[in-house]
Amino acid sequence: AQTVTQSQPEMSVQEAETVTLSCTYDTSENNYYLFWYKQPPSRQMILVIRQEAYKQQNATENRFSVNFQKAAKSFSLKISDSQLGDTAMYFCAFLAMGNTGKLIFGQGTTLQVKP
Amino acid sequence: NAGVTQTPKFRVLKTGQSMTLLCAQDMNHEYMYWYRQDPGMGLRLIHYSVGEGTTAKGEVPDGYNVSRLKKQNFLLGLESAAPSQTSVYFCASSRRPSSYNEQFFGPGTRLTVL
Repeated sequence: AQTVTQSQPEMSVQEAETVTLSCTYDTSENNYYLFWYKQPPSRQMILVIRQEAYKQQNATENRFSVNFQKAAKSFSLKISDSQLGDTAMYFCAFLAMGNTGKLIFGQGTTLQVKP
Repeated sequence: NAGVTQTPKFRVLKTGQSMTLLCAQDMNHEYMYWYRQDPGMGLRLIHYSVGEGTTAKGEVPDGYNVSRLKKQNFLLGLESAAPSQTSVYFCASSRRPSSYNEQFFGPGTRLTVL
C-alpha cells in the first residue's frame, strides 16, 4: 500500500521570502503522479502543481516549483516570493497510474505567511 | 459550469440519526469520490464510483453507504450517525484516469454528530 508523509505540521515564512514544504512517499509502483493541493481557509481544494513520475524535469507553475527525487521518494514544494494569499494548508498527494483514480493524501502542512 | 457542488454545507446530527449528503457535478465526469478530512490525517477516501451504477469501497468505508444512480450525482449516506463521523466531507470528480488526472473538489460539508 502507498503512503504519503508530510513531517512538517506547521510552517511560517515572511512575505516575499521562499519556503519549502517537504513530502515523502512510499510505493512499489513505477508509474505514478504526485500532486500538491492548497486548501485556504475557505476549505476549497485547489490543485497547485503536478508531477508525472516518468518525467525527470521538475514541474514549475509560476512561483511554485517542485524538487522531485524519484529514487529518494521525495517530492518537496518550493514557494518563491511568498504572498499573504499563500496562507493555507498544503497537501501532498499520490496517484498510481492505471488505478481507479484514488488519491492518497499526506497529513498536510499549515503554512502561515507573515507580513 | 458550477463544477462540483455539495449539499448541505453544514449539518448537526444527534447520535443515531441518519442523513444523506448529495454531490453533483456538471463536467460529465465518469469518476466520483467521497473523502473525509480530519485534523492531522489529511483526506481519506470513503467510497468511490467509476461510473453510473457502480460503487466501491475506499480506505474508511465503515458506517457509510453510497449510490450513483445518475452519472452526475453521488450520494453518501450515514444510516446511524456516530460522534466518530464528525468530520468535513469532500466530494470530488474526474475524467477516466489518463495523462491528466486532476480531481475537482466540491466545497465540503462540515458534519457534527453530537
